Amino acid sequence: GIQVEQSPPDLILQEGANSTLRCNFSDSVNNLQWFHQNPWGQLINLFYIPSGTKQNGRLSATTVATERYSLLYISSSQTTDSGVYFCAVSYGNNRLAFGKGNQVVVIP
Amino acid sequence: DVKVTQSSRYLVKRTGEKVFLECVQDMDHENMFWYRQDPGLGLRLIYFSYDVKMKEKGDIPEGYSVSREKKERFSLILESASTNQTSMYLCASRRQEGTEAFFGQGTRLTVV
Repeated sequence: GIQVEQSPPDLILQEGANSTLRCNFSDSVNNLQWFHQNPWGQLINLFYIPSGTKQNGRLSATTVATERYSLLYISSSQTTDSGVYFCAVSYGNNRLAFGKGNQVVVIP
Repeated sequence: DVKVTQSSRYLVKRTGEKVFLECVQDMDHENMFWYRQDPGLGLRLIYFSYDVKMKEKGDIPEGYSVSREKKERFSLILESASTNQTSMYLCASRRQEGTEAFFGQGTRLTVV
């Protein structure tokens, strides 16, 4: 199956700082999504981004499908940005595979 | 808005019990998925379904089965629960292959 690798696995940020999370995947994909897992465990949709760049408030994402990676940018981080960020790719026969996540802690 | 609902947020079961986890979506989606999430291992696919009565094994199907008798409902069955099935279980759905997926709130299952 496809390999999805996220880096860095853990990140500690001062409130107000900017950061970049990376997702690399080993094969061609049909689409790519970024999720944020809230403290209660639910995965919240951030971006559906097979290619190109999208922005939503302080968050933005870029996927370069030909080079098999995606980046999630967090600007002016807030404590509510803390949590685990997951990258998921759709590939092959209806499959949806996840990376192991980026654990982000934003300290005041 | 898409709504994916899992029947329980928390569940405690005894070893050997038969356990049903239910997932319902209200958007006529064809694809539905069951994952388990464990610390350090991320989300691992147990089973998925691409249509009514159609199912495929994911990466870790051992000890689980599924049922999809109606399009909106996808059930995960633990035939004889074991302690190593203590985990967070997440259900997802999407309209079809390659489209955006949406998740339920998760079920934290503890087997004692």
